Amino acid sequence: AQSVTQLDSHVSVSEGTPVLLRCNYSSSYSPSLFWYVQHPNKGLQLLLKYTSAATLVKGINGFEAEFKKSETSFHLTKPSAHMSDAAEYFCVVSDPKTGGYNKLIFGAGTRLAVHP
Amino acid sequence: NAGVTQTPKFRILKIGQSMTLQCAQDMNHNYMYWYRQDPGMGLKLIYYSVGAGITDKGEVPNGYNVSRSTTEDFPLRLELAAPSQTSVYFCASTKGGGELFFGEGSRLTVL
Repeated sequence: AQSVTQLDSHVSVSEGTPVLLRCNYSSSYSPSLFWYVQHPNKGLQLLLKYTSAATLVKGINGFEAEFKKSETSFHLTKPSAHMSDAAEYFCVVSDPKTGGYNKLIFGAGTRLAVHP
Repeated sequence: NAGVTQTPKFRILKIGQSMTLQCAQDMNHNYMYWYRQDPGMGLKLIYYSVGAGITDKGEVPNGYNVSRSTTEDFPLRLELAAPSQTSVYFCASTKGGGELFFGEGSRLTVL
């Protein structure tokens, strides 16, 4: 069965320092992987997605993620945090054998705080 | 650019009451979804629809019903509200490919 684990429930960084949000997945097949961001009292917005093309995926607002099959990881990074990056981030997996895009599996979320 | 519109944004229900959460999208998306978000739990799929007249259960459908009479609208019905249904509900839509467009959510409290 597919699942996704976000290794940190809270991450705190200073403005201008790198961001690392960790995500591990399990899937019985070649999955599609996504990162979504949720700002306070808003809906979720797609940051980036991996669908078996390049393993390094670039997204919006300077974020990127690297798909590592050997480590079953899809960590999200950004070289320099901005105050506006403070939000909750969700790692999401889609397994074509168990419903595909119609049955996305969401991680529990990582809340990112950015301090001046 | 309206996107996905959910109403109401907030609602308080008494145990046993019923209500409908409304969702409308103006992007001509065939696929629509209802999720609930509980603290520390991520999002759980309640129901989804792949087109007008076609709906299917997600991971947590008990206590809910949906209908899809038009491409634009996908209402979620709560019958006999229970405290366990206190949550934030999100409607989403997509043309496919995993990029979902979400509404801003409906916060429901059942007392």
